[in-house]
Amino acid sequence: GENVEQHPSTLSVQEGDSAVIKCTYSDSASNYFPWYKQELGKRPQLIIDIRSNVGEKKDQRIAVTLNKTAKHFSLHITETQPEDSAVYFCAASIAGNQFYFGTGTSLTVIP
Amino acid sequence: EAQVTQNPRYLITVTGKKLTVTCSQNMNHEYMSWYRQDPGLGLRQIYYSMNVEVTDKGDVPEGYKVSRKEKRNFPLILESPSPNQTSLYFCASSPLQLKSVYSYNEQFFGPGTRLTVL
Repeated sequence: GENVEQHPSTLSVQEGDSAVIKCTYSDSASNYFPWYKQELGKRPQLIIDIRSNVGEKKDQRIAVTLNKTAKHFSLHITETQPEDSAVYFCAASIAGNQFYFGTGTSLTVIP
Repeated sequence: EAQVTQNPRYLITVTGKKLTVTCSQNMNHEYMSWYRQDPGLGLRQIYYSMNVEVTDKGDVPEGYKVSRKEKRNFPLILESPSPNQTSLYFCASSPLQLKSVYSYNEQFFGPGTRLTVL
């Protein structure tokens, strides 16, 4: 089956700096890559996603890039704010049915 | 209010005592799924359902059963729970969007059920 690896497991940045989280996947058939944010004690919530026919997608301070050849995708958060502190999960899916998640990145934004 | 609900939210039980965790959504979503979340392992998919009477195994289905008799409900059944099933469980649903090979699936998660098996 698919294997998704996520790095780093923890990340601390100063407020206003950028944060980058990277994921790799193993199955070239994966074609949908969502990112979820999970605040402490809360449920995961989708923040951005990308499909395999697109190389980059941006939504305000958040962007995701996808390199199908290298089988990796990344989350970029610019101008980080304390409310960005959370655990972020990447995932890979084939045709939007079975999902494989990374192990998560705990992001801390230091005011 | 559009939402996914799970019950119970917290459950402590003993090994071997059958239990059911309910999941219900009021958004008329075709797709529903169960995940377990364990420290350091992220979210792992247990079962998913593309529509009524259609269920498929996820990555970690052993020890679990599901059913999808109605579109809105997707209960998770543990016939004989064991301590290694102690975990945080999330149900999710989505309006399955199929557009040729580039289908996507924005999942909405329930609040979670924290299960402890002694």
